[in-house]
Amino acid sequence: AQKITQTQPGMFVQEKEAVTLDCTYDTSDPSYGLFWYKQPSSGEMIFLIYQGSYDQQNATEGRYSLNFQKARKSANLVISASQLGDSAMYFCAMREGSFGNEKLTFGTGTRLTIIP
Amino acid sequence: EAQVTQNPRYLITVTGKKLTVTCSQNMNHEYMSWYRQDPGLGLRQIYYSMNVEVTDKGDVPEGYKVSRKEKRNFPLILESPSPNQTSLYFCASRPDETDLVGYTFGSGTRLTVV
Repeated sequence: AQKITQTQPGMFVQEKEAVTLDCTYDTSDPSYGLFWYKQPSSGEMIFLIYQGSYDQQNATEGRYSLNFQKARKSANLVISASQLGDSAMYFCAMREGSFGNEKLTFGTGTRLTIIP
Repeated sequence: EAQVTQNPRYLITVTGKKLTVTCSQNMNHEYMSWYRQDPGLGLRQIYYSMNVEVTDKGDVPEGYKVSRKEKRNFPLILESPSPNQTSLYFCASRPDETDLVGYTFGSGTRLTVV
């Protein structure tokens, strides 16, 4: 079974609209962390936001928020008021295991295109 | 500037010719890791290292070797590259178990094996 599932290979969104990128995960580890990364066309991986499995509140970082629904094992990224510069590939990732044998697993990504 | 440096950024090579992609971090991080990124597959872990002289296999280690002789360096070695190793490679590091968030990625190495 896939550890991280991103079901939207591509999305087109009008500028200034909000966008939700879906991510579901699968783990039996009670302690885990969920990440979102942005990869622009230049190729680098840019960290956006993090949610720990024990965090009570949904994580927020500026225009980014993570809609964490633990029972449903979902960790969707919400971008408010999208901008042209948000066009990029977005990856959801999960860290599980302890530091001695931890694993960071990525989803297959969603390519977001913002339309002027 | 705190960073993970990969070299080269781009490399075209021929099948069977041994190559090394270097990775160096200046943050005294204990954990380092290599990933490959392929279209439709996301990033997959090749090898990782928790500290000097400690390395372990990730999900796709076949055809790759690594070494961790010094804390700052974690080179990826392809002894006999094949076309199916054409990919975008990323090195990443993290401080230690107290920092749950701080993965730092290199800029990537785009490798083409012909």
